[in-house]
Amino acid sequence: NAGVMQNPRHLVRRRGQEARLRCSPMKGHSHVYWYRQLPEEGLKFMVYLQKENIIDESGMPKERFSAEFPKEGPSILRIQQVVRGDSAAYFCASSPSGQIQGNTIYFGEGSWLTVV
Amino acid sequence: GENVEQHPSTLSVQEGDSAVIKCTYSDSASNYFPWYKQELGKRPQLIIDIRSNVGEKKDQRIAVTLNKTAKHFSLHITETQPEDSAVYFCAASIAAGKSTFGDGTTLTVKP
Repeated sequence: NAGVMQNPRHLVRRRGQEARLRCSPMKGHSHVYWYRQLPEEGLKFMVYLQKENIIDESGMPKERFSAEFPKEGPSILRIQQVVRGDSAAYFCASSPSGQIQGNTIYFGEGSWLTVV
Repeated sequence: GENVEQHPSTLSVQEGDSAVIKCTYSDSASNYFPWYKQELGKRPQLIIDIRSNVGEKKDQRIAVTLNKTAKHFSLHITETQPEDSAVYFCAASIAAGKSTFGDGTTLTVKP
């Protein structure tokens, strides 16, 4: 039973380029969450999605960041015109349902973005 | 929104001693409290969790306690081993699944 799959694991981008991070949830999971972890800091919630719906994007920066979870295929976190401050680990997590009380989320291995 | 505070930020213990990490939360509606262990360069891994209808839960050397009235919960690790060295995160969430994390505790177990 494969876990949450993220790719790429490591990504280097020059300032001004675009970064696309992909996440496939665990089998049977329909809820996806993206978290950002700056070096030596905690995990900060960015966005919560279900298939074709953004449920909560309260942690997403207002500009340059977007996320989607299409009917087919992985969830994608897109960062346009990257800046050095975007360098971080981006973790995707999934859960079977967001409606059940006390839902456990499981993390992928993360995508480490470095902006040079 | 929810705010989770975690203490201490760093903790160093001798092998065999106990380690305690404490967290407080602000939203009384939070009802699920997981703890994650993260090793350097790796993903956070769930080690134990507790729900609001339970006051304490144990799993071998790890235990978690919850005081809903005071809005705090704690992680207890007994008989610590060097492989317990890692960063530990607490989190609090309401039913919708979005979790708010503490800033982490770096635990070092000295052999």
